[in-house]
Amino acid sequence: DAGITQSPRHKVTETGTPVTLRCHQTENHRYMYWYRQDPGHGLRLIHYSYGVKDTDKGEVSDGYSVSRSKTEDFLLTLESATSSQTSVYFCAISVGGLAGGIYEQYFGPGTRLTVT
Amino acid sequence: KNQVEQSPQSLIILEGKNCTLQCNYTVSPFSNLRWYKQDTGRGPVSLTIMTFSENTKSNGRYTATLDADTKQSSLHITASQLSDSASYICVVSHMDSNYQLIWGAGTKLIIKP
Repeated sequence: DAGITQSPRHKVTETGTPVTLRCHQTENHRYMYWYRQDPGHGLRLIHYSYGVKDTDKGEVSDGYSVSRSKTEDFLLTLESATSSQTSVYFCAISVGGLAGGIYEQYFGPGTRLTVT
Repeated sequence: KNQVEQSPQSLIILEGKNCTLQCNYTVSPFSNLRWYKQDTGRGPVSLTIMTFSENTKSNGRYTATLDADTKQSSLHITASQLSDSASYICVVSHMDSNYQLIWGAGTKLIIKP
């Protein structure tokens, strides 16, 4: 998993409660991403970060916030969880150096979140 | 709208057989196309990346083809093994951003002994 860990790996929470998911990388990569994966959909980008304190929204950012105070950690927060946020959440990093300036993405193991 | 569509949604084949998975995309301008393999309960893992100038790329028993004119790609798996059971996801990168990817919903492949 390219030195990427996610915690927790599984979580069940109640509607309306705040939830924070953590992504940790060990190789000081600049770019980090949070995706969600739902049945019948491709991975959808929630937020991404291009450096410490530098973040931007993806296509499904409503209801989510992120923070990156250190290069190695990227936190995803659901301020008030809803059942529609039940999903599998993946963290990823970008690694450059491929031909044509292409960046490869490597993924963590995922966090399965259930909101009841 | 930039989209990636894959077919079939699911496929069951016998061990040792070959199969081909399809991907059509509408992303423009196009930068590169990727195929990922995702085992159940795991994150996606890259199989191949092709730029618009590449027609084919192989990774062991996996061979990807790309026709940038028709905006189609395929992933061919030769002599399938039980470990090939997974979801295969086609992903396209938009020229304007090498960092943000457009993901297909995947083809779930099951290999039966």
